[in-house]
Amino acid sequence: EIVLTQSPGTLSLSPGERATLSCRASQSIDSSYLAWYQQNPGQAPRLLISGASNRATGIPDRFSGSGSGTDFTLTISRLEPEDFAVYYCQQYGSSPPVTFGQGTRLEIK
Amino acid sequence: QVQLVQSGAEVKKPGASVKVSCKASGYTFTGYSIHWVRQAPGQRPEWMGWINIGSSHTIYSHKFQGRVSITRDTSASTAYLELSSLRSEDTAVYYCARDPLLTFGGIIVDWGQGTLVTVSS
Repeated sequence: EIVLTQSPGTLSLSPGERATLSCRASQSIDSSYLAWYQQNPGQAPRLLISGASNRATGIPDRFSGSGSGTDFTLTISRLEPEDFAVYYCQQYGSSPPVTFGQGTRLEIK
Repeated sequence: QVQLVQSGAEVKKPGASVKVSCKASGYTFTGYSIHWVRQAPGQRPEWMGWINIGSSHTIYSHKFQGRVSITRDTSASTAYLELSSLRSEDTAVYYCARDPLLTFGGIIVDWGQGTLVTVSS
């Protein structure tokens, strides 16, 4: 089973700053099979990025994804108030087919 | 627009079974597949399984093999998750979610509102 480890656990930043979230896989995964989700309290996750770097429909261009192999990054270029949430990375395509990282909480400093 | 509307909250005793429904609208139900994902309080999402709505082929997480069953009723545009032999650790919000493909794609583009299942004696 591929284990995804996200860092940091909590990231404290101010609106307007740049956020960099990391996701490391226990073994190499095809970058076509790495996604990022945003989750607000009491809501379902929302797809941000698939295929490591492809923004989902309606996602602002301040969100970008990069990486390959075992190391992937989600970057939010200029934080807006609505961006403070929990972020999960997800891999799909290996056995079990889908696993999630433990999440990074992005909080207002 | 795409909507996935799930059945209401459930309270079950240990050892019982629960069946959660997910009614789809706003798209061609038989043209896409459905995942079931659960999330315990304060925990990461956990993938449980998937169904090809067209063929009814299923794939289950090894963790739930033998306890989980995912089915669909195309005439009702509804998918179902049934989980048996419930224990307290199964207390979680259960989500149905749409894959953008009919075959197994793995990403999730639309989510239901979630169904809270509480297992308590």
